[in-house]
Amino acid sequence: GENVEQHPSTLSVQEGDSAVIKCTYSDSASNYFPWYKQELGKRPQLIIDIRSNVGEKKDQRIAVTLNKTAKHFSLHITETQPEDSAVYFCAASSGGYSTLTFGKGTMLLVSP
Amino acid sequence: DAGVIQSPRHEVTEMGQEVTLRCKPISGHNSLFWYRQTMMRGLELLIYFNNNVPIDDSGMPEDRFSAKMPNASFSTLKIQPSEPRDSAVYFCASSVAAGGDTEAFFGQGTRLTVV
Repeated sequence: GENVEQHPSTLSVQEGDSAVIKCTYSDSASNYFPWYKQELGKRPQLIIDIRSNVGEKKDQRIAVTLNKTAKHFSLHITETQPEDSAVYFCAASSGGYSTLTFGKGTMLLVSP
Repeated sequence: DAGVIQSPRHEVTEMGQEVTLRCKPISGHNSLFWYRQTMMRGLELLIYFNNNVPIDDSGMPEDRFSAKMPNASFSTLKIQPSEPRDSAVYFCASSVAAGGDTEAFFGQGTRLTVV
């Protein structure tokens, strides 16, 4: 089955800095890669996703890049703000009836 | 739509007792997922239903866990008998299409503590 590795497990940055979280996956058939944000005590919520037919996607301060050859994808957050502090999860799926496999999560702390 | 609704939000029970967690997915969504979240193991998929039919239950830890989806608007996850190691946050999620290649909408979760 699919295996998703996520790094780092914790990331501390100063407000205004950029943050990068990286994930690798094992199943070359995977074609959908979402990122979820989970604030303390709350539910995971989708913040951005990418499919295998594109290499990069941006939405305001967040962007995701995908390298299918190397089987890795990354989340980039620019101009970080304290409200970006949360746990971020990457995931991968090969579509059809396959389900999402999540990484272990990255706790991002943005200090004012 | 109120989103995915789970109940109860918190459950404290004694070891050996039966626990039933409930989930109402978003209307019109065809897929429903039960996840368990712990610090050690992260988000683990327990079982996945499509059109009320269990498709993948390979994540169910053992026979003490069972899940049902009697209709499109209701699902239950039952643990009998419960054990302290079952303590976790249990999330239900639903999505509009089959499988995991569309956005999954999570409920607020049920925090289960087994003492």
